[in-house]
Amino acid sequence: NAGVTQTPKFQVLKTGQSMTLQCAQDMNHNSMYWYRQDPGMGLRLIYYSASEGTTDKGEVPNGYNVSRLNKREFSLRLESAAPSQTSVYFCASSPEGRMNTEAFFGQGTRLTVV
Amino acid sequence: GDSVTQMEGPVTLSEEAFLTINCTYTATGYPSLFWYVQYPGEGLQLLLKATKADDKGSNKGFEATYRKETTSFHLEKGSVQVSDSAVYFCALGNSWGKLQFGAGTQVVVTP
Repeated sequence: NAGVTQTPKFQVLKTGQSMTLQCAQDMNHNSMYWYRQDPGMGLRLIYYSASEGTTDKGEVPNGYNVSRLNKREFSLRLESAAPSQTSVYFCASSPEGRMNTEAFFGQGTRLTVV
Repeated sequence: GDSVTQMEGPVTLSEEAFLTINCTYTATGYPSLFWYVQYPGEGLQLLLKATKADDKGSNKGFEATYRKETTSFHLEKGSVQVSDSAVYFCALGNSWGKLQFGAGTQVVVTP
């Protein structure tokens, strides 16, 4: 009963390095999301994919790119990491992109940029 | 734009005490409202939700009522346990299933 799986769980990057955070869900959900969690700010939406083949910017998209590889997978890429991107990143999925639908979250990736 | 404001923590309580966490929102239209809980080292999971005015969401002894007149969705539990220690997030559901979160409230329950 995996749900939403994120890899890696922890990562340390140097400023300027790139990396891709992976996310996969096995619940046949249509919609997927990437959030970042920072102290005192709750979670903020980076990008989302309402359905396979579509992606859209959220509240804080600068410095990130995403790919909805297929219905299961939604990756987040940092092309040139900056210390301001130190955060905990959560991937989530939802059966359908409606405002009353529950989201299911992965366990998070703790990223530190030095 | 839409926003969610919740009381800052940490909130420290003794076991069996009454818990209330205030949450107010600003939104256009009629959003759905959620409480999510994050246990240490884990992702968020849904605690309860309400999809229209005057709805009451409940789960695991927690309750919250969607109050449109006061734009509030306060979380309450009558008798907390040590296992309720966690961070609680109030959230508003937007179009396409996007969630607008409050800052989170850490709750610490001591034996």
